[in-house]
Amino acid sequence: QKEVEQNSGPLSVPEGAIASLNCTYSDRVSQSFFWYRQYSGKSPELIMSIYSNGDKEDGRFTAQLNKASQYVSLLIRDSQPSDSATYLCAGGMDSSYKLIFGSGTRLLVRP
Amino acid sequence: DVKVTQSSRYLVKRTGEKVFLECVQDMDHENMFWYRQDPGLGLRLIYFSYDVKMKEKGDIPEGYSVSREKKERFSLILESASTNQTSMYLCASSSRWGRGAYEQYFGPGTRLTVT
Repeated sequence: QKEVEQNSGPLSVPEGAIASLNCTYSDRVSQSFFWYRQYSGKSPELIMSIYSNGDKEDGRFTAQLNKASQYVSLLIRDSQPSDSATYLCAGGMDSSYKLIFGSGTRLLVRP
Repeated sequence: DVKVTQSSRYLVKRTGEKVFLECVQDMDHENMFWYRQDPGLGLRLIYFSYDVKMKEKGDIPEGYSVSREKKERFSLILESASTNQTSMYLCASSSRWGRGAYEQYFGPGTRLTVT
């Protein structure tokens, strides 16, 4: 099992819909999780951090962390074509400042 | 705002050349990282540094070395460039303290082509 796993997609949703991106993680990954957005040819941009069990909302984005089930998700409400990108899930490792990245999920928002 | 800059956006080098990639951050971050990103392989950690003159190997250090003489600057060195080092190279930095200790901020990347 990979330490951080994501479905590669593409996940295709119509404009205005809710996009749901999911990520599972192994025991080696600690309790800090991050979502990065990466446009084609660009570098990853941090969009959400979540440290505690439950939901965290920021504008159209909601991150959800469920430690018991070892998954973290990102919901994007009112999806826009400009949200089309690859979304990387990352988790911190205990006793290290390294992040473990998933391979990313490609999101396509259809106009 | 955190700002991480990289010396070049695009670089073309010949096989066997010594290549220097520079990264500078302006947020007084203790931790700095070098990754490479290739299609289908995702982000892979090459080296990271948690303090000046301190470094630790990542997952794929072979063929690379690093230097951190000042806190704000982290250099990646390809001692003898090879075609299989053609890739996008990404630098990142993070603080060591508090809840944000893991939040990594990336530079714009350097797309290196070795011919």
